[in-house]
Amino acid sequence: NAGVTQTPKFQVLKTGQSMTLQCAQDMNHNSMYWYRQDPGMGLRLIYYSASEGTTDKGEVPNGYNVSRLNKREFSLRLESAAPSQTSVYFCASSPTGMYTEAFFGQGTRLTVV
Amino acid sequence: KNEVEQSPQNLTAQEGEFITINCSYSVGISALHWLQQHPGGGIVSLFMLSSGKKKHGRLIATINIQEKHSSLHITASHPRDSAVYICAVSTGNQFYFGTGTSLTVIP
Repeated sequence: NAGVTQTPKFQVLKTGQSMTLQCAQDMNHNSMYWYRQDPGMGLRLIYYSASEGTTDKGEVPNGYNVSRLNKREFSLRLESAAPSQTSVYFCASSPTGMYTEAFFGQGTRLTVV
Repeated sequence: KNEVEQSPQNLTAQEGEFITINCSYSVGISALHWLQQHPGGGIVSLFMLSSGKKKHGRLIATINIQEKHSSLHITASHPRDSAVYICAVSTGNQFYFGTGTSLTVIP
């Protein structure tokens, strides 16, 4: 019963470094999402993937890239980290789009110094 | 622009009290979701509803589509209910999230 698994849970980067956040779900969901959560703000969509092989930009995509490697996995890459990307990142999945319940990972707390 | 507004932002209650958290939204929706986020970060879906009322244990969620308003009620609150409660709406191919209500229940 893993659900949505994100790695790593914590990460500290120096400005300019790159990293990839990994997300995998074992519920055979079509749709997967990456959000960031900042103090005083609601979760904001970075990218989403409605199905394997497709990705679309969300509200705050600048500075990020994504890969829907297969139906299970959806990774988020920061090519050149900036302090403004310090945030908590959540991966989520849902069976089919936004009309169904979403399941969230445990989050990745990223600090860029 | 905030498609989803929650109130209050912060709430402190004594154990046993009845708690209400409110959510208003400004867009047409497919469904409304109530989520719970515990310290340490994980987010769990409590309810998804598109009309009427749902109940799960001591939690009750209601929605009024005409008024674009939903409430989350917690009866007989307990310290383990302390968490951030997030209202979200789904519309088309997007979720919109409120900023959350931080609830602290004191023994």
